[in-house]
Amino acid sequence: SYVLTQPPSVSVAPAKTARITCGGNNIGGKSVHWYQQKPGQAPVLVVYDDGDRPSGIPERFSGSNSGNTATLTISRVEAGDEADYYCQVWDSSRDHVVFGGGTKLTVL
Amino acid sequence: QVLLVQSGAEVKKPGASVKVSCTASGYTFSDYYIHWVRQAPGQGLEWMGLINPHSGVAKSAQNFQGRVTMTRDTSISTVYMELSRLRSDDTAVYYCARVAIFGINVLYYWGQATPVTVSS
Repeated sequence: SYVLTQPPSVSVAPAKTARITCGGNNIGGKSVHWYQQKPGQAPVLVVYDDGDRPSGIPERFSGSNSGNTATLTISRVEAGDEADYYCQVWDSSRDHVVFGGGTKLTVL
Repeated sequence: QVLLVQSGAEVKKPGASVKVSCTASGYTFSDYYIHWVRQAPGQGLEWMGLINPHSGVAKSAQNFQGRVTMTRDTSISTVYMELSRLRSDDTAVYYCARVAIFGINVLYYWGQATPVTVSS
């Protein structure tokens, strides 16, 4: 089965740049989507298809995907960005959605 | 606006079944797939499966095959997820999520979650 690997935690100071990685075998060949989840709330899509942003998501959120690693980049981090972030792909070999294990972003 | 409203919290005993509903509004119900995702306390997101509301065809994750049944009632724009032979580790919040217009595997609209507790 296809596995996505994320670091459990990332810490960043306010106004700095946070990068959250998502590793998977040849993930560059897949479309990666990213979700933000705050405590007690449903996930929110922040990036889809590697680097596109849904309406209403700040430009500070961006994404890239190449080789075996996809990256969610959050520029000029704010306290309100503190949340869990999940990457997600479609595993076409099994017709399954696959989520990464999630990364807790802490704003120092 | 698109809205997914889920049924309320459930408490079940081990071995029982639970059926969670997800009622959609604000769009043409049959036009967009709906996925089910769960999250155990303190854990990550786990995909359970999806249903095509137009055809009724469902696909469940391998981890749940044989235990999960997804159905829909187009007359009331509602999809259902039934999980059988419940165990304590099925205790979780369960979400339905509608796909985005720009991708059938991009989960854009989410329900408010249904907590399910399995306890003897």
